[in-house]
Amino acid sequence: KQEVTQIPAALSVPEGENLVLNCSFTDSAIYNLQWFRQDPGKGLTSLLLIQSSQREQTSGRLNASLDKSSGRSTLYIAASQPGDSATYLCAVSKPTGANNLFFGTGTRLTVIP
Amino acid sequence: NAGVTQTPKFQVLKTGQSMTLQCAQDMNHEYMSWYRQDPGMGLRLIHYSVGAGITDQGEVPNGYNVSRSTTEDFPLRLLSAAPSQTSVYFCASSYSSGANNSPLHFGNGTRLTVT
Repeated sequence: KQEVTQIPAALSVPEGENLVLNCSFTDSAIYNLQWFRQDPGKGLTSLLLIQSSQREQTSGRLNASLDKSSGRSTLYIAASQPGDSATYLCAVSKPTGANNLFFGTGTRLTVIP
Repeated sequence: NAGVTQTPKFQVLKTGQSMTLQCAQDMNHEYMSWYRQDPGMGLRLIHYSVGAGITDQGEVPNGYNVSRSTTEDFPLRLLSAAPSQTSVYFCASSYSSGANNSPLHFGNGTRLTVT
């Protein structure tokens, strides 16, 4: 069974700092990996999707990398802002079948003004 | 453009009661699913559907039923609520149903407490 782990569980950084969130998964047979953001009391918002054949994806100040063979992904946030405070979740999908995802438990990020 | 709409936002049930959590999407998405989110655990898949009339079980289906009579709606039924079903429930949808690269769109969740 696919297991997804995110470390650290919580992270506090001062505004302006660059930071890296980590995600690891046990089965390298994936179709894609997605990073989501979750604000308190809200649903999940998709940030980046990396296909299994890709090494990285970028959107604005966010950059996600994928090393499928080692079962790792990182989410890099540049020049952090207080508005980046949220829980960040990573999830992987199976290579076949339906579009079902396996989620990590998330990293709660606090950016201190 | 509403996206994925879940109702109610909050619900309190007594043990043994039944209820239906509603989920509707207006994006003509083929795939819909239900997840539950519990403290210290990742989201876990309850049931999913790859199209109208087709449903299947996920990782934690016991105690829940689903149906997909239309493309837009995917209700989740709790047959006889138990305290272990206290959780936050999320409905999600995507354009394609198979393994693909269309991201999941989530509703804002239903927070359920069973006493």
